[in-house]
Amino acid sequence: AQTVTQSQPEMSVQDAETVTLSCTYDTSENNYYLFWYKQPPSRQMILVIRQEAYKQQNATENRFSVNFQKAAKSFSLKISDSQLGDTAMYFCAFMKSGGTGTASKLTFGTGTRLQVTL
Amino acid sequence: DAGVTQSPTHLIKTRGQQVTLRCSPKSGHDTVSWYQQALGQGPQFIFQYYEEEERQRGNFPDRFSGHQFPNYSSELNVNALLLGDSALYLCASSLRVNYEQYFGPGTRLTVT
Repeated sequence: AQTVTQSQPEMSVQDAETVTLSCTYDTSENNYYLFWYKQPPSRQMILVIRQEAYKQQNATENRFSVNFQKAAKSFSLKISDSQLGDTAMYFCAFMKSGGTGTASKLTFGTGTRLQVTL
Repeated sequence: DAGVTQSPTHLIKTRGQQVTLRCSPKSGHDTVSWYQQALGQGPQFIFQYYEEEERQRGNFPDRFSGHQFPNYSSELNVNALLLGDSALYLCASSLRVNYEQYFGPGTRLTVT
């Protein structure tokens, strides 16, 4: 079974600053995907960024980037130039590869509540 | 392009009752997964449907059952409701050959 651990229950960052959210996971699988989801107070879970385990290059989506360390089983999220709209719960999630890219179940961490302040 | 939709938005039920939650997947998606998110927790996988069959199941009792229709929409049924079933129920859709899951806004179920 896979487990995902987010050790920072809450974090705060000032507007325009950079913040890094931590995530570690445990798995015996070699082929898998990792995700960061954002859940604002509206409750809608929004995909922020994804990383295929077979890719060495870290994924980047605009102000969001990850630091993927496969050997250490670490997958941190960096948010640059933080904005008020980034205030939300952030969940790290793991998905085992279905072999042909088929969708499988997501295993989530317990989340990190991020507050962006002026 | 319509995203994932869920109904109802909120629901209040009494212990012992039964409930049905509904989900319409994102246009073009053929796979639906259901998750339970208790307050302050991450979502927990309940089950996944593809081609009208349950393909994977998480650690949930048989009181939780589902269905997928030919148009790919899905229902989640919970029988004999317990207070502990109070949670946000999230539906996620995906294309079978693609691993990305897109979530709906959820149904908030309160059991009294």
